[in-house]
Amino acid sequence: KQEVTQIPAALSVPEGENLVLNCSFTDSAIYNLQWFRQDPGKGLTSLLLIQSSQREQTSGRLNASLDKSSGRSTLYIAASQPGDSATYLCAVRPGRGGADGLTFGKGTHLIIQP
Amino acid sequence: DAGITQSPRHKVTETGTPVTLRCHQTENHRYMYWYRQDPGHGLRLIHYSYGVKDTDKGEVSDGYSVSRSKTEDFLLTLESATSSQTSVYFCAISQEGRAGELFFGEGSRLTVL
Repeated sequence: KQEVTQIPAALSVPEGENLVLNCSFTDSAIYNLQWFRQDPGKGLTSLLLIQSSQREQTSGRLNASLDKSSGRSTLYIAASQPGDSATYLCAVRPGRGGADGLTFGKGTHLIIQP
Repeated sequence: DAGITQSPRHKVTETGTPVTLRCHQTENHRYMYWYRQDPGHGLRLIHYSYGVKDTDKGEVSDGYSVSRSKTEDFLLTLESATSSQTSVYFCAISQEGRAGELFFGEGSRLTVL
């Protein structure tokens, strides 16, 4: 059974810092990996999707990397801002893709101090 | 915007009553999912659908049933709600044209007293 772990569970940093959120998964036979952001009381917003054949994806100040063989992904946030405060979730999809749903980590709760 | 609407957004009910949550999408995506989110457990898959009348169980399907009679609607039913089903329920769709990226609705908060 696939298990996804996110470290740290919570993180508080001053504004302007670059930071890294970590995600690990136990079964490397994945179809893709997706990073989400969740604000309190809200739904999940998709940030980045990395296919199993890709090594990284970038969107603005965000960069996600994937090392499938070691079962790891990182989300790099450059020049953090208070508006980046949220819970960040990592999720993997099984190797067959198709209809199979995602397996989620429990998230990293991020606070950016002004 | 993936065009996902969940209803109701909030519901309080009593133990033993039936509850139906609705997920409506506007873009004819094939795959739809129901998740629940609980503190300490994160998001867990309840049921999913890969087409009209085609559904399958997820990780935590006990006590839940689903139906999909139209492409745009995916219903989640709690036949007899229990307090352990108090949770936030999220519907998601998968856009095949975007390499299987999932998009989520805003959630339905259910409280079972």
